[in-house]
Amino acid sequence: DAKTTQPNSMESNEEEPVHLPCNHSTISGTDYIHWYRQLPSQGPEYVIHGLTSNVNNRMASLAIAEDRKSSTLILHRATLRDAAVYYCIHSNAGNMLTFGGGTRLMVKP
Amino acid sequence: GAVVSQHPSWVICKSGTSVKIECRSLDFQATTMFWYRQFPKQSLMLMATSNEGSKATYEQGVEKDKFLINHASLTLSTLTVTSAHPEDSSFYICSAEVGYGYTFGSGTRLTVV
Repeated sequence: DAKTTQPNSMESNEEEPVHLPCNHSTISGTDYIHWYRQLPSQGPEYVIHGLTSNVNNRMASLAIAEDRKSSTLILHRATLRDAAVYYCIHSNAGNMLTFGGGTRLMVKP
Repeated sequence: GAVVSQHPSWVICKSGTSVKIECRSLDFQATTMFWYRQFPKQSLMLMATSNEGSKATYEQGVEKDKFLINHASLTLSTLTVTSAHPEDSSFYICSAEVGYGYTFGSGTRLTVV
């Protein structure tokens, strides 16, 4: 079972950066690290993914530890629309995603 | 980006009736689709993997005769909840693999009364 550990919830102020941690100590060498987020009553939305190197896209940055046993999703300036449940998942290409509990991010105005 | 269109977004049905949920890949072909179920305040649980042109693969504990999956074309997968009961009330979500990861439908909220 591809298990990850994330804090149940985090709080942030609007316009400030947010660092969402994830531990994935059982990750295998070929597993990608995926981050998805789910807004209320919607399907999950892709945020970012990576293998070994840090990744940046228009939504976020992904910092991957050198041993790949943990990663951090970075939202550079949180907005109210970023309030969601963020899921960190590690999975081999072509395999289905196994969702853990995720982190509920609350953003205060 | 690649989009999966899921319909209906919500449905209310009477106990004992059947409900069909559709997922269409709009601008790509999906040989495999994944069906998830999500109860309130819980995470997504994989129910089954739908394979175009062949039988679906069901996760342990998911009744294949109750949750019928059909993946007859490369752009359409359907999930039919047969003889629905109140305990089947949930949020059902489909997903397909795309180049950068996975894309998800918007979900279907099923309420069985």
